[in-house]
Amino acid sequence: NAGVMQNPRHLVRRRGQEARLRCSPMKGHSHVYWYRQLPEEGLKFMVYLQKENIIDESGMPKERFSAEFPKEGPSILRIQQVVRGDSAAYFCASSPQGGNSYNEQFFGPGTRLTVL
Amino acid sequence: AQSVSQHNHHVILSEAASLELGCNYSYGGTVNLFWYVQYPGQHLQLLLKYFSGDPLVKGIKGFEAEFIKSKFSFNLRKPSVQWSDTAEYFCAVKSSGDKLTFGTGTRLAVRP
Repeated sequence: NAGVMQNPRHLVRRRGQEARLRCSPMKGHSHVYWYRQLPEEGLKFMVYLQKENIIDESGMPKERFSAEFPKEGPSILRIQQVVRGDSAAYFCASSPQGGNSYNEQFFGPGTRLTVL
Repeated sequence: AQSVSQHNHHVILSEAASLELGCNYSYGGTVNLFWYVQYPGQHLQLLLKYFSGDPLVKGIKGFEAEFIKSKFSFNLRKPSVQWSDTAEYFCAVKSSGDKLTFGTGTRLAVRP
């Protein structure tokens, strides 16, 4: 059973460009979570999605950031007009169920975004 | 809002030494508690978790953690570390909803 897949593993963008980060959850998992890890900080929750629905986006910056998890295909975290402060490691996690269940979240390897 | 504190940012130990990493959280209700480990160049992996029952939880690779509700703590322990335990360790809390709140992590270096 393949784990959570993220691509690309490394992404370099210039200020003002768009960044698209992809996450394929584990087989059978319908819940996806995105976290961001800034240098020297812990992981911070950004957004929680189920297929075609955003459940909790309380950690998402109000501007330039968006996330989706379509019926088919991977979850996408999109950052428009990137700035240097967006440089971070972005981790995706998946679980088979949500809603206060006893399921752990399985993490992907992360995408390291560098904004020049 | 809940928060998680890991007071030890960097720990250096010799092989066979005992390990205890502190984790305190601030939340008054029911919590689920986790320790994750990130080995160099790898993704986060779950070491152990507490949901209910016995407050002493045993995880993989000889790690254990004790939930002390009165102290809002969930410290990670291992009686004898190995060089292969060199990694970054994250404590995390889940209360209402599904999002995890992480501590800032502890970098452990074990000298052979």
